[in-house]
Amino acid sequence: AQKITQTQPGMFVQEKEAVTLDCTYDTSDPSYGLFWYKQPSSGEMIFLIYQGSYDQQNATEGRYSLNFQKARKSANLVISASQLGDSAMYFCAMNDGATNKLIFGTGTLLAVQP
Amino acid sequence: GAGVSQTPSNKVTEKGKYVELRCDPISGHTALYWYRQSLGQGPEFLIYFQGTGAADDSGLPNDRFFAVRPEGSVSTLKIQRTERGDSAVYLCASSLQSGGLADTQYFGPGTRLTVL
Repeated sequence: AQKITQTQPGMFVQEKEAVTLDCTYDTSDPSYGLFWYKQPSSGEMIFLIYQGSYDQQNATEGRYSLNFQKARKSANLVISASQLGDSAMYFCAMNDGATNKLIFGTGTLLAVQP
Repeated sequence: GAGVSQTPSNKVTEKGKYVELRCDPISGHTALYWYRQSLGQGPEFLIYFQGTGAADDSGLPNDRFFAVRPEGSVSTLKIQRTERGDSAVYLCASSLQSGGLADTQYFGPGTRLTVL
């Protein structure tokens, strides 16, 4: 069965600094997708970035980049130049390619300090 | 364009009652998903529709839960004989088409269900 592990319940970062949120995954499927979502206190899940298992390069979307290390089964999210508005819960997720349902981790609560 | 919308945003009901939660996906999205998020947890998959049919309902916890999508657009999640343990945020997501790994799911704001 697929599993996502996020070992950091909470993280602090100073405004304008970079922060890395950890995510490891477990799957026996050779084909899978990895996603990061942001969930502010308002509750809505906001898609941030996607990485496919066959992608050769790490995904980037603006200030977000995904540090994909396939051999280690890790897909860490890097947020550069943190902003106060980045304070939120962050979830790592993966799909299985068959039904496309997402398996989520337990999340990391990020607090950006001025 | 308009995102995924869900109604109501909050629902308070008494144990044993029946509730319906509605999801209106992004226009043109053929795939629709329901998830349940308990406090302090990540969302858990409930059911997925491709068009009008439920392609995977393996996440429904028991037969008190049922969902429909009769015209391939709006979906309704129905919960019979609600229990206190059903209290959670119910999230709906839609995607352009199912089957591709990069098929991104876009979520609605959720319905917070409280069973007293």
